[in-house]
Amino acid sequence: SAVISQKPSRDICQRGTSLTIQCQVDSQVTMMFWYRQQPGQSLTLIATANQGSEATYESGFVIDKFPISRPNLTFSTLTVSNMSPEDSSIYLCSVALMGGEGEQYFGPGTRLTVT
Amino acid sequence: EDQVTQSPEALRLQEGESSSLNCSYTVSGLRGLFWYRQDPGKGPEFLFTLYSAGEEKEKERLKATLTKKESFLHITAPKPEDSATYLCAVQADSNYQLIWGAGTKLIIKP
Repeated sequence: SAVISQKPSRDICQRGTSLTIQCQVDSQVTMMFWYRQQPGQSLTLIATANQGSEATYESGFVIDKFPISRPNLTFSTLTVSNMSPEDSSIYLCSVALMGGEGEQYFGPGTRLTVT
Repeated sequence: EDQVTQSPEALRLQEGESSSLNCSYTVSGLRGLFWYRQDPGKGPEFLFTLYSAGEEKEKERLKATLTKKESFLHITAPKPEDSATYLCAVQADSNYQLIWGAGTKLIIKP
């Protein structure tokens, strides 16, 4: 398994501002994932972040809105830009230990509220 | 189209009352099926991976089984601390993305 931490754990932000969420894992992993989970809903994949390459975004998510960095094999950041109340959600990072195959392990999440 | 359907949406049981949660899936080539537990305000916690029909995995009061079309998560003599949302996801052999079900909210009353 893997131990994953996220910062911040929660934040309340003003409309039009940006927030950067950090994800740190205790071992080197190739693939990291960023998800959004809205209240009472299941998980929606935002993007896949591989070290050394550009993140791959899912339909409905764009780099200008959700820029991702992956500077090394244990760390990634997700920025939520120009926020609106519709961005209020829980943001989760996860890692796959077997090169993308198999189960993913999740961080505790970042609860974002946009006012 | 690959998809995952979980039922029921919510399940209320008395402590000690055994039951099963269902995860039906449609995928073009199954690489793996995964069960997770999620407590309120926390990230999903990995429980089981199943790879092929007929496979079973157990952990404490939970047992997961897999057929070619669905998976069951059996909970035996549940306790209040088993209350959580249980999520099912599948991974197709064509890519690494997990396809998630909507989850079953399990409530165990003492």
